[in-house]
Amino acid sequence: DTAVSQTPKYLVTQMGNDKSIKCEQNLGHDTMYWYKQDSKKFLKIMFSYNNKELIINETVPNRFSPKSPDKAHLNLHINSLELGDSAVYFCASSQDLETVRSGYTFGSGTRLTVV
Amino acid sequence: AQRVTQPEKLLSVFKGAPVELKCNYSYSGSPELFWYVQYSRQRLQLLLRHISRESIKGFTADLNKGETSFHLKKPFAQEEDSAMYYCALKRKGGKLIFGQGTELSVKP
Repeated sequence: DTAVSQTPKYLVTQMGNDKSIKCEQNLGHDTMYWYKQDSKKFLKIMFSYNNKELIINETVPNRFSPKSPDKAHLNLHINSLELGDSAVYFCASSQDLETVRSGYTFGSGTRLTVV
Repeated sequence: AQRVTQPEKLLSVFKGAPVELKCNYSYSGSPELFWYVQYSRQRLQLLLRHISRESIKGFTADLNKGETSFHLKKPFAQEEDSAMYYCALKRKGGKLIFGQGTELSVKP
């Protein structure tokens, strides 16, 4: 019944590897997001998709590539992982781009550790 | 520039004491503001939104356009309120900009 689910919850991997994080929402929302929470707990938007279309692409290294096969899924693929990529990555969704009055619904996060 | 500022990184109070978590924003249009809470190692949850003027878990927040503030208040803090609190501003296009977060620690 989880509204926004992310997998895996924990990911430990070596530098240079490629990894993916998956996100799915069953709320019927049109818009999905990826946020990064760094070691200082600062939250920063990375990407947003609306109906499978990329809307926001913040200044993120192109090693990060989001993919949205349908509006219920937004996956994040990371190539050539670096130590600085270690963080908690949160997926979120909202009804649409403008009707954010109910806020975002967040996933439980993926704690990525690069060693 | 659109910005959300939470000046306190850590706020420590005793149980039963009043608490106020500060949030100031910078936005040229009509702001839509939210407070989110993150309990230890859990997902962020929406706590309050200014448009609904509600009280959740005893917390309230009033938008003050003159002071560009949206401070979160609770008259009597409880230990279970200990968490990370984020103030957020919704920009046109759906993007939420978060403040740096304030860690609230309520001591017994």
